[in-house]
Amino acid sequence: ETGVTQSPTHLIKTRGQQVTLRCSSQSGHNTVSWYQQALGQGPQFIFQYYREEENGRGNFPPRFSGLQFPNYSSELNVNALELDDSALYLCASTPRAPGSYNEQFFGPGTRLTVL
Amino acid sequence: GNSVTQMEGPVTLSEEAFLTINCTYTATGYPSLFWYVQYPGEGLQLLLKATKADDKGSNKGFEATYRKETTSFHLEKGSVQVSDSAVYFCALSSNTGNQFYFGTGTSLTVIP
Repeated sequence: ETGVTQSPTHLIKTRGQQVTLRCSSQSGHNTVSWYQQALGQGPQFIFQYYREEENGRGNFPPRFSGLQFPNYSSELNVNALELDDSALYLCASTPRAPGSYNEQFFGPGTRLTVL
Repeated sequence: GNSVTQMEGPVTLSEEAFLTINCTYTATGYPSLFWYVQYPGEGLQLLLKATKADDKGSNKGFEATYRKETTSFHLEKGSVQVSDSAVYFCALSSNTGNQFYFGTGTSLTVIP
């Protein structure tokens, strides 16, 4: 069984640019969540996708947007990049419809550096 | 609103010492509580969870009890090993399962 995979592993962008990060959820997992983890901090919830719709959102501005595809893979798009967007971006999937008790399975992350 | 406050680190212990990492939370409704662990060079993985008040989660010798009266979910292990060296994150899932909150993480180093 393949786990959660993310691409690319590392990425360097300049301020004002746009970036797309990709996530393939674990086989059979239909719910995907995205997190931003700054250095030395815990993951901050960005949003969750279920059945190709945004199902929940954290305290992030609209320039953070996402997509989920019929095969449950997902993208995170960030427009107008700012220096503070430099972080590790984590994707996590769960095998069931959203529920409080669900374990999340995390990918290895994409390290984004904004110069 | 919901939030998680976690004991600051880093924590350094000798092998076979007792471990406690404190975690308190604020929440509306009936959240579930989790401890995730990140071993060096690896991704986050679930260590244990508790889905309602007074539940005790346990795994690999670690335990945590969901205490609603003190809004706490402290992680404990009676005898740590070098292999337990990792970063530990306390987390909360909203009762609808579409909002998640993590603590800042506690780095644990166990020395032989």
